[in-house]
Amino acid sequence: DTEVTQTPKHLVMGMTNKKSLKCEQHMGHRAMYWYKQKAKKPPELMFVYSYEKLSINESVPSRFSPECPNSSLLNLHLHALQPEDSALYLCASSQDGPRYRGEQFFGPGTRLTVL
Amino acid sequence: LAKTTQPISMDSYEGQEVNITCSHNNIATNDYITWYQQFPSQGPRFIIQGYKTKVTNEVASLFIPADRKSSTLSLPRVSLSDTAVYYCLVGDGPGANNLFFGTGTRLTVIP
Repeated sequence: DTEVTQTPKHLVMGMTNKKSLKCEQHMGHRAMYWYKQKAKKPPELMFVYSYEKLSINESVPSRFSPECPNSSLLNLHLHALQPEDSALYLCASSQDGPRYRGEQFFGPGTRLTVL
Repeated sequence: LAKTTQPISMDSYEGQEVNITCSHNNIATNDYITWYQQFPSQGPRFIIQGYKTKVTNEVASLFIPADRKSSTLSLPRVSLSDTAVYYCLVGDGPGANNLFFGTGTRLTVIP
């Protein structure tokens, strides 16, 4: 199984809502990532979990909160988002940490719209 | 922090060879250079990865000069289905978060 799954596929939320994005992989990968991609722009790395340890990205607002319950699952908790947070949110995984050899496997993404 | 830059767009006829360059002046010493393909509303898909010189697989070749400040993805004999956005991905400085996609090249293959 070389698939990264993401749910939901689409999400519409208001600025006062709390929601979560979910990501799952069963390839035994030890690094998982969240990226944000705006239209016609490259993906931007938000968070990295390597061996279930989070690498903080201080440029990401605190209204985004990642969680890695185990090595196969990755969540992104959303709270008090702004309309400019509307984007495609991509999850990815790789065999080892982000700075080592090996490809990242990407999920199909969650299309988030904040009203 | 230097950006990883690519040409914005390229057009090519079917059956031609396409070369897409990526400039990464600040690449970290131990980092690999990875290229991805992305179709609309999909996640990026791995194409090829290399550290130096030349790497070839069944779909592409990757050329990396000795100074590693740039790389060139070569797609032999492109077809209409190769129309997509192509990104390079490199590390830029220490730390797990210093991983950046290039600006992306939109390739359009013309019949």
